[in-house]
Amino acid sequence: DAGVTQSPTHLIKTRGQQVTLRCSPKSGHDTVSWYQQALGQGPQFIFQYYEEEERQRGNFPDRFSGHQFPNYSSELNVNALLLGDSALYLCASSIRPGTSGSYIQYFGAGTRLSVL
Amino acid sequence: EDQVTQSPEALRLQEGESSSLNCSYTVSGLRGLFWYRQDPGKGPEFLFTLYSAGEEKEKERLKATLTKKESFLHITAPKPEDSATYLCAVRGVDSSYKLIFGSGTRLLVRP
Repeated sequence: DAGVTQSPTHLIKTRGQQVTLRCSPKSGHDTVSWYQQALGQGPQFIFQYYEEEERQRGNFPDRFSGHQFPNYSSELNVNALLLGDSALYLCASSIRPGTSGSYIQYFGAGTRLSVL
Repeated sequence: EDQVTQSPEALRLQEGESSSLNCSYTVSGLRGLFWYRQDPGKGPEFLFTLYSAGEEKEKERLKATLTKKESFLHITAPKPEDSATYLCAVRGVDSSYKLIFGSGTRLLVRP
């Protein structure tokens, strides 16, 4: 049973560039959430996608955007990168809202983004 | 505003030395408290979810408990392989499916 997969594993960008991170949810899951984890901190919620729509958003600027595809996979896009965007970006998947166990989110290994 | 505070920030134990990690939370209507384990360079691994005060869950050497204001993760006779960062998260009635995490407790178990 494939878990949550993310690509790429590591990424190095320079300030002002744009980046796209990808996520495939766990088999049987259709909801994807994205989190940003700075070094030594807990993950911070960016947004969640369900049925190809953004359902909830955290306190992140519009430079952060996303997309969910019909096969439930998802992308996170960050424009105009800042040094402070350097972090581990985590994708988490869960089953559809309202289903028993839907509160549990399963995480991928993350993409380590370094902005120089 | 929903908030999670974990203590201590770091904990060093000798193998076999039992201890507890604390997670204090403030949330408007708890819909779930979650414990995760995170190894360096990896994503959080789900351990437990608790929904109501008085609930307890166990898995091997770990036991999670919940009150109306805090949760404890008890580690009995830890082994070096239990070394990791343990994260606590909550979901409240106003936060839909968003998880709000604490900063974690870094546990080191020495042989």
